[in-house]
Amino acid sequence: AQSVTQLDSQVPVFEEAPVELRCNYSSSVSVYLFWYVQYPNQGLQLLLKYLSGSTLVKGINGFEAEFNKSQTSFHLRKPSVHIIDTAEYFCAAHSQGAQKLVFGQGTRLTINP
Amino acid sequence: EAGVAQSPRYKIIEKRQSVAFWCNPISGHATLYWYQQILGQGPKLLIQFQNNGVVDDSQLPKDRFSAERLKGVDSTLKIQPAKLEDSAVYLCASSGQGMVTDTQYFGPGTRLTVL
Repeated sequence: AQSVTQLDSQVPVFEEAPVELRCNYSSSVSVYLFWYVQYPNQGLQLLLKYLSGSTLVKGINGFEAEFNKSQTSFHLRKPSVHIIDTAEYFCAAHSQGAQKLVFGQGTRLTINP
Repeated sequence: EAGVAQSPRYKIIEKRQSVAFWCNPISGHATLYWYQQILGQGPKLLIQFQNNGVVDDSQLPKDRFSAERLKGVDSTLKIQPAKLEDSAVYLCASSGQGMVTDTQYFGPGTRLTVL
């Protein structure tokens, strides 16, 4: 079964510090992988997605993620965060055998000044 | 381009009452999704429409939940009767053709509280 695990429920960091939000997936087939961001009282917005090709994917707002097949991971990174990055971040995946988008439980990123 | 619209934004009801949520997808999007997001969890797909046909409703509690997408545009999700565990945010999303590589665009959600 396809599942997505986000290893940290909350990540506090200081402003302008780097951050990594971890995501692991389980699947016996190739996957398509996504990161979504949810700002307070808003819907989800796509940050980036990996479909094929280069394993380093660049997204909006300075975020990037690296697909690592051997470690079944798709961690999200930003070299320097700002207060406006405070939000909930969701990793999601499709497996090629299913049409369903499966989400992780989310990681709440809080930025301290 | 207008985004996905949902109404109402908030709803509070007593258990055993009924409630309905409305969604208007992005113009021209063939695929529409309803998700349930319980506090502290990621969204869970309830039902997926392709135009006005159901593609996947395997996780929809059909004894109390129903959804329709008349004319392949707007959609309504209904709960009757509501239970305490239905308290959640109900998200509507749409995508162009429903391919796994398509980006899903989400509305702001309806926050339901069942007392």
